[in-house]
Amino acid sequence: EPEVTQTPSHQVTQMGQEVILRCVPISNHLYFYWYRQILGQKVEFLVSFYNNEISEKSEIFDDQFSVERPDGSNFTLKIRSTKLEDSAMYFCASIKGLAGPRGGELFFGEGSRLTVL
Amino acid sequence: KQEVTQIPAALSVPEGENLVLNCSFTDSAIYNLQWFRQDPGKGLTSLLLIQSSQREQTSGRLNASLDKSSGRSTLYIAASQPGDSATYLCAATGTASKLTFGTGTRLQVTL
Repeated sequence: EPEVTQTPSHQVTQMGQEVILRCVPISNHLYFYWYRQILGQKVEFLVSFYNNEISEKSEIFDDQFSVERPDGSNFTLKIRSTKLEDSAMYFCASIKGLAGPRGGELFFGEGSRLTVL
Repeated sequence: KQEVTQIPAALSVPEGENLVLNCSFTDSAIYNLQWFRQDPGKGLTSLLLIQSSQREQTSGRLNASLDKSSGRSTLYIAASQPGDSATYLCAATGTASKLTFGTGTRLQVTL
């Protein structure tokens, strides 16, 4: 069964360092998302991406964050200068979206745990 | 702004019991509602998706209902098993395409 894959599963970094989290969405999906979950808190929306551009972003997704689809398969989240409060599990998700982004089931990856020291 | 609440926050039941998890949302203008399962330290596994025009969806021992007018959804698990132990999350899709998640219900099914 097709699945969303994420790498790395866990990354430890020093505050101020750049981090890139990678995702391979399901191949025929059109809409891509990043969510995060700080330990013990709700899963929160970060950004949605469609047709090679951001379609929506939350207030969390400030100038320190960026997303890219550098080729036909990968979808990346970059944090330019990490802060302690960026420590969280980051989830990539995708939706087929043939009838738009709201009609179907969202599939999540296993997540990338980011620890900022 | 959509707010999603789940009660109870935690639940422990003996194996074999039927149980109901509750989800409420403040903005009834949703497109769909999705239930997920999350095992500790793991990703989110989609269980059921209910479109706003539907009243319920079933998958095996799981049944989810949706009442938009009252802003509520329930997840019914029949004949619970220890393998059902996990955190169950509901999430609503509103006018934007993003999901708004609840805080989850942590379920423990004991032998």
